[in-house]
Amino acid sequence: DAGVIQSPRHEVTEMGQEVTLRCKPISGHNSLFWYRQTMMRGLELLIYFNNNVPIDDSGMPEDRFSAKMPNASFSTLKIQPSEPRDSAVYFCASSHSDRGYTFGSGTRLTVV
Amino acid sequence: EDQVTQSPEALRLQEGESSSLNCSYTVSGLRGLFWYRQDPGKGPEFLFTLYSAGEEKEKERLKATLTKKESFLHITAPKPEDSATYLCAVQLAETSGSRLTFGEGTQLTVNP
Repeated sequence: DAGVIQSPRHEVTEMGQEVTLRCKPISGHNSLFWYRQTMMRGLELLIYFNNNVPIDDSGMPEDRFSAKMPNASFSTLKIQPSEPRDSAVYFCASSHSDRGYTFGSGTRLTVV
Repeated sequence: EDQVTQSPEALRLQEGESSSLNCSYTVSGLRGLFWYRQDPGKGPEFLFTLYSAGEEKEKERLKATLTKKESFLHITAPKPEDSATYLCAVQLAETSGSRLTFGEGTQLTVNP
């Protein structure tokens, strides 16, 4: 099992550009989560999906953020337009039922 | 308001010096409490899940315990490779899916 796979590992972009982060969950896991981690705020839940359906997006900071899960094996988190305050490490995690999450290695986003 | 608070923020130990990390929570209904370990540049790695007061779980030099208000992660005779940030998270009874709310972590450094 390759675990949760995220891409890219690092992304540097200019303010105003569109950024797309990608995630492949573990096969058979029915929940997928997007988290953001910063020194100031720790790990914050942005959105989560259950069986490909968005359940709670109350953590999405603004309309500039959007997430999709078109099928059980793929999800994207898009920021358009990006701003310097979006700089953070973005983690994707997946789980099966109520068991603990498995996290990906994260995408370190820097917006300059 | 549901809260998860970890203490101390940082802890330095000498190799072999046992200690405990604390995670206190104020939630309306706890379904489960999770402990994770995070190494620099990596995603959090699952350690334990505790579901009821009085429950204990062990893994190598780590033991996690749970009461109705807090959880402890006991580290016995730590080694330098135990250095990491330890995160606790709560899963609430009334939330759908398996959403977790994380504390801000304890950064543990074990000196040789």
